[in-house]
Amino acid sequence: DAGVIQSPRHEVTEMGQEVTLRCKPISGHNSLFWYRQTMMRGLELLIYFNNNVPIDDSGMPEDRFSAKMPNASFSTLKIQPSEPRDSAVYFCASSPGTINEQFFGPGTRLTVL
Amino acid sequence: AQSVTQPDIHITVSEGASLELRCNYSYGATPYLFWYVQSPGQGLQLLLKYFSGDTLVQGIKGFEAEFKRSQSSFNLRKPSVHWSDAAEYFCAVGAKGGATNKLIFGTGTLLAVQP
Repeated sequence: DAGVIQSPRHEVTEMGQEVTLRCKPISGHNSLFWYRQTMMRGLELLIYFNNNVPIDDSGMPEDRFSAKMPNASFSTLKIQPSEPRDSAVYFCASSPGTINEQFFGPGTRLTVL
Repeated sequence: AQSVTQPDIHITVSEGASLELRCNYSYGATPYLFWYVQSPGQGLQLLLKYFSGDTLVQGIKGFEAEFKRSQSSFNLRKPSVHWSDAAEYFCAVGAKGGATNKLIFGTGTLLAVQP
């Protein structure tokens, strides 16, 4: 099993640019979660999907953030336009659903200059 | 409201010493409980989980945790710490049979290991 795959692993961009983070969940998992981790705020849940449908996006900080899950094997988190305060590590996790156990990807370290 | 408290932000232990990391939760229903570990620059890795049954749970890397319902606690223990155990540890709680499969994470405990 390949685990949760995230790309890119590192992203450096300039303020105002669009950023797209990608995630491939573990095959057969029907829940997908996007988290953000910073020193100041710790680990924050941004949004999660069940069966490709967004269930709870209350953690999305503002309209500049959007997430999609067009199919069971792919999800994106987009920031447009990016700001320096968006600099963080973004994690994707997937879960077989009813069991709650989540499997995390390696993360994408985003730096917005 | 559901919450997880890890009262120790930072702990330092000597290599070979025993370790206990504290976790207290507040949850209306019977919870699922987890401990995750995050090494520098890495994602979170599941150490162990409690769903039901025996309240003493064994995990990977020699860790164990004990669920104490009366104290709403799920403390993580290891009898002898290795230098490679230096990492950040997160406790998390989820709903058993609930409508959501979100996890509520604690703020983490950063473990340093002295030689």
